[in-house]
Amino acid sequence: DAKTTQPPSMDCAEGRAANLPCNHSTISGNEYVYWYRQIHSQGPQYIIHGLKNNETNEMASLIITEDRKSSTLILPHATLRDTAVYYCIVPPGPNTGNQFYFGTGTSLTVIP
Amino acid sequence: DGGITQSPKYLFRKEGQNVTLSCEQNLNHDAMYWYRQDPGQGLRLIYYSQIVNDFQKGDIAEGYSVSREKKESFPLTVTSAQKNPTAFYLCASSIAAPWSYNSPLHFGNGTRLTVT
Repeated sequence: DAKTTQPPSMDCAEGRAANLPCNHSTISGNEYVYWYRQIHSQGPQYIIHGLKNNETNEMASLIITEDRKSSTLILPHATLRDTAVYYCIVPPGPNTGNQFYFGTGTSLTVIP
Repeated sequence: DGGITQSPKYLFRKEGQNVTLSCEQNLNHDAMYWYRQDPGQGLRLIYYSQIVNDFQKGDIAEGYSVSREKKESFPLTVTSAQKNPTAFYLCASSIAAPWSYNSPLHFGNGTRLTVT
């Protein structure tokens, strides 16, 4: 299964774009990249996912490199409410027990 | 609104007692999951179920049991055999098993269990 590597923490000024990187160099051709975030003492919240093409929704944009070995989650105008732990996940293929592996993610702090 | 309901939000038990955590979903999802989270740690998979009357062990199933008698319900029992039961427990669901490759997890807001 494709493991992911994320920086443990990042800061971002309020109103600026937050760019959260993720390395997944062992990703297979048919594995998706998912992003979630978790605000303290709440359940993780789904943000976005993608396979090859860049994706955008009302919350964020996902940029996946052409070789698919890394991706970046972009929060275009960070607010204080975006302070959370962000998880980059690549679920493994069929017939494996651990479908979604949540590591320790990136703790993003949005600074006023 | 559709979603996943976990109850209660906080639960306190004495050591040696079994306790059951509730998880209900009205999203009509086939697959459901239980995760455990310890302070400063990621999530670890306890059990998952792809369909009614079927479930599989995750990475840390010892000391836990589940049932899936109805599509919308997936209760987790923390037994007295679980050595370190104090943790934050999260229930999730997805339309199908993740190997559909296009099926995000949806989480409840968790139950914080404290055993003393």
